[in-house]
Amino acid sequence: SAVISQKPSRDICQRGTSLTIQCQVDSQVTMMFWYRQQPGQSLTLIATANQGSEATYESGFVIDKFPISRPNLTFSTLTVSNMSPEDSSIYLCSARVGYGGELFFGEGSRLTVL
Amino acid sequence: GDSVTQMEGPVTLSEEAFLTINCTYTATGYPSLFWYVQYPGEGLQLLLKATKADDKGSNKGFEATYRKETTSFHLEKGSVQVSDSAVYFCALEYGNKLVFGAGTILRVKS
Repeated sequence: SAVISQKPSRDICQRGTSLTIQCQVDSQVTMMFWYRQQPGQSLTLIATANQGSEATYESGFVIDKFPISRPNLTFSTLTVSNMSPEDSSIYLCSARVGYGGELFFGEGSRLTVL
Repeated sequence: GDSVTQMEGPVTLSEEAFLTINCTYTATGYPSLFWYVQYPGEGLQLLLKATKADDKGSNKGFEATYRKETTSFHLEKGSVQVSDSAVYFCALEYGNKLVFGAGTILRVKS
């Protein structure tokens, strides 16, 4: 199994600023992902965080807006850049232990952009 | 593309009532299917899964059967408890990615 910790758990941000969310896993994992859950909506995959290389983004998400780092097997960051109120969401980090293994989730980071 | 449709909530039940949360999917090929649960203030947790047609996933009294003919994976529980109050997400997996339904809020009254 894997325990995933995210920081911050919540934040209130001003329009035009950027915020970096950190994700720490308590064990080495093969794959890490970032999801967004907008108010009243489902989870949408933003990108797959690749260790030591550029993240793989899903349609509708771009690196300039959501830069992602993954310097090692247990840690990743997601930055939400130049925020607008439409970016107000819960951002979730997830990780998979082994190929085809269970996907574990962090508790999420709730961002409110004013 | 692949998608998951869940019944809208919130679903409000009395304790010991029977629960069904409908889930249907659209996919190319034969995806694995999952139910995740999110208790208040906690992260998503895997509740159960099924990887092929006619498989039944079960956990904590919840069950769901992978029905290829109806492309469904309905969640059921015979007798709900107040502690089952949570948001339930149906999901399918293709490759290493999960596609989630919109989630269904379940509220159980004592």
